[in-house]
Amino acid sequence: GQNIDQPTEMTATEGAIVQINCTYQTSGFNGLFWYQQHAGEAPTFLSYNVLDGLEEKGRFSSFLSRSKGYSYLLLKELQMKDSASYLCAVISNDYKLSFGAGTTVTVRA
Amino acid sequence: KAGVTQTPRYLIKTRGQQVTLSCSPISGHRSVSWYQQTPGQGLQFLFEYFSETQRNKGNFPGRFSGRQFSNSRSEMNVSTLELGDSALYLCASSSGTEAYNEQFFGPGTRLTVL
Repeated sequence: GQNIDQPTEMTATEGAIVQINCTYQTSGFNGLFWYQQHAGEAPTFLSYNVLDGLEEKGRFSSFLSRSKGYSYLLLKELQMKDSASYLCAVISNDYKLSFGAGTTVTVRA
Repeated sequence: KAGVTQTPRYLIKTRGQQVTLSCSPISGHRSVSWYQQTPGQGLQFLFEYFSETQRNKGNFPGRFSGRQFSNSRSEMNVSTLELGDSALYLCASSSGTEAYNEQFFGPGTRLTVL
């Protein structure tokens, strides 16, 4: 089966940096996604990593280490609108997308 | 380009009833995946349809079924509803033809079983 772990909650202040870790054990690996989901809304795509290393996209960056089964999402210069749930998802060998339970990030003024 | 649409947005049913949810993917997308989201379990994969065929299936009982039509629209059916089926049901569409399979989610259908 698939096992994807991420912290349940994180809190940070506006302007700060937060790092959300995700570890995974899956039957094969074909890529890792990060999604953002605001309360009551559908998940929206943030990033995709399939090779090791850091992908930077504005205030958000995502890192992957396939040998360690590890990824993180880095949120910089936090804004109040970044308060949301962040979902780590892995595509396994059969191209199924498996999600972690999500990390709720609360940004405080 | 219009996004993924789901109908209805909200639904209230009683135990033992059955329900059908509908999903219209982004134009040109041939893959539709269905997920159940609950506070305790997070997003759980139900099944994926590609070109009218079920291509992948999660670990849900046979009460959960689906189908896809020739225009790529998909329906999901849940029979003999149980209280634990109360959840947000999300569908997501993608091209389905590449390993990089970014999925675009619809707004979801909130099902409440009383």
